[in-house]
Amino acid sequence: DQQVKQNSPSLSVQEGRISILNCDYTNSMFDYFLWYKKYPAEGPTFLISISSIKDKNEDGRFTVFLNKSAKHLSLHIVPSQPGDSAVYFCAASGTRSGGSNYKLTFGKGTLLTVNP
Amino acid sequence: GAGVSQSPRYKVAKRGQDVALRCDPISGHVSLFWYQQALGQGPEFLTYFQNEAQLDKSGLPSDRFFAERPEGSVSTLKIQRTQQEDSAVYLCASSFSSGNTEAFFGQGTRLTVV
Repeated sequence: DQQVKQNSPSLSVQEGRISILNCDYTNSMFDYFLWYKKYPAEGPTFLISISSIKDKNEDGRFTVFLNKSAKHLSLHIVPSQPGDSAVYFCAASGTRSGGSNYKLTFGKGTLLTVNP
Repeated sequence: GAGVSQSPRYKVAKRGQDVALRCDPISGHVSLFWYQQALGQGPEFLTYFQNEAQLDKSGLPSDRFFAERPEGSVSTLKIQRTQQEDSAVYLCASSFSSGNTEAFFGQGTRLTVV
């Protein structure tokens, strides 16, 4: 049973446009969410995170939105650049109801391709 | 070093062989994690250390998997009597503290069992 779901295996966007990557979760214990970017043959690299006490966090071209009632988060990249082409993983951890706050549960990832 | 270092990068093992995968975390990082990433999947949690103490090994798939971090820095993941289903990328990550903080990942060790 997948607790973190990224339903789009791939996404293709034109350079300069907005990229929107989506993530849904089912476990109500999750209260901290992260996005990682992964290039081929490298490990995942931390991108941005958000706590459940917020509904938005912004860092440069990257913004993460959290909708707790819908158990949905999204990553917006504006403007998209060819160097952003990578696999993006959504991850979650949680402390509610005795859950662990260190164990990350990952989605399967979305391959983003930004075309020049 | 500047980042998490894992060795070897690639390992081919014959079925039944024992393997040992090494992780050098970022200096000063208290927490160390091992994850397993199968092809086309996201990383899955294996085990967690806080300094030298293994606080959570709930993700280890079987008793053939064993991890240690005896001095609270370098960690080794050992897999005994490897099987084909063990083929995956094994990722090590470390973080400065425990809980709700981003973990920094190494490049991983790609294990292929033939």
